[in-house]
Amino acid sequence: KQEVTQIPAALSVPEGENLVLNCSFTDSAIYNLQWFRQDPGKGLTSLLLIQSSQREQTSGRLNASLDKSSGRSTLYIAASQPGDSATYLCAVPGNQFYFGTGTSLTVIP
Amino acid sequence: GAGVSQSPSNKVTEKGKDVELRCDPISGHTALYWYRQSLGQGLEFLIYFQGNSAPDKSGLPSDRFSAERTGGSVSTLTIQRTQQEDSAVYLCASSLGPPLDNEQFFGPGTRLTVL
Repeated sequence: KQEVTQIPAALSVPEGENLVLNCSFTDSAIYNLQWFRQDPGKGLTSLLLIQSSQREQTSGRLNASLDKSSGRSTLYIAASQPGDSATYLCAVPGNQFYFGTGTSLTVIP
Repeated sequence: GAGVSQSPSNKVTEKGKDVELRCDPISGHTALYWYRQSLGQGLEFLIYFQGNSAPDKSGLPSDRFSAERTGGSVSTLTIQRTQQEDSAVYLCASSLGPPLDNEQFFGPGTRLTVL
């Protein structure tokens, strides 16, 4: 069974700092990996979908990388803003979608 | 519709009552998923539909939980004889096709409170 881990569980940074969130998975036979954002009391918002054939995918200040062979993905957030404060989750597909437990990010003004 | 919708957005019920939660997936999406998220916890997979059939029911926590999908569209999650530990946010998601190579989109969730 696929297991997905996210480190760190929580992160607090000052506004303007660049940061990296990590996601690791045990079964490297994946087609893609999806990063989500969840605001308190809300559903999940899809941020980026990175295909297994891609090494990177960018959207604005967000950049996701994928290394299937090592079972790792990173989400890079440039020039963080207080509005980036949320929980970030990664998910990989299989017979269902397997989610990490998330990284809770706080950006301090 | 433009996105996944869920109703009701909030539901308060008394212990022992039955509740029904509804999910409308994005039009044309053949796959539909139900998850549960307890306060401060991660996502707990409940069930996945491909069309009207459920290849994976492994996440349903007890026989009090059931789900159906009709017409390859709307799905209903039913919880019978609710317990306080059923209190959580229930999230629905859909994807164009099976999980393997499709992007998943979430609804806003239904917050269930069992008194």
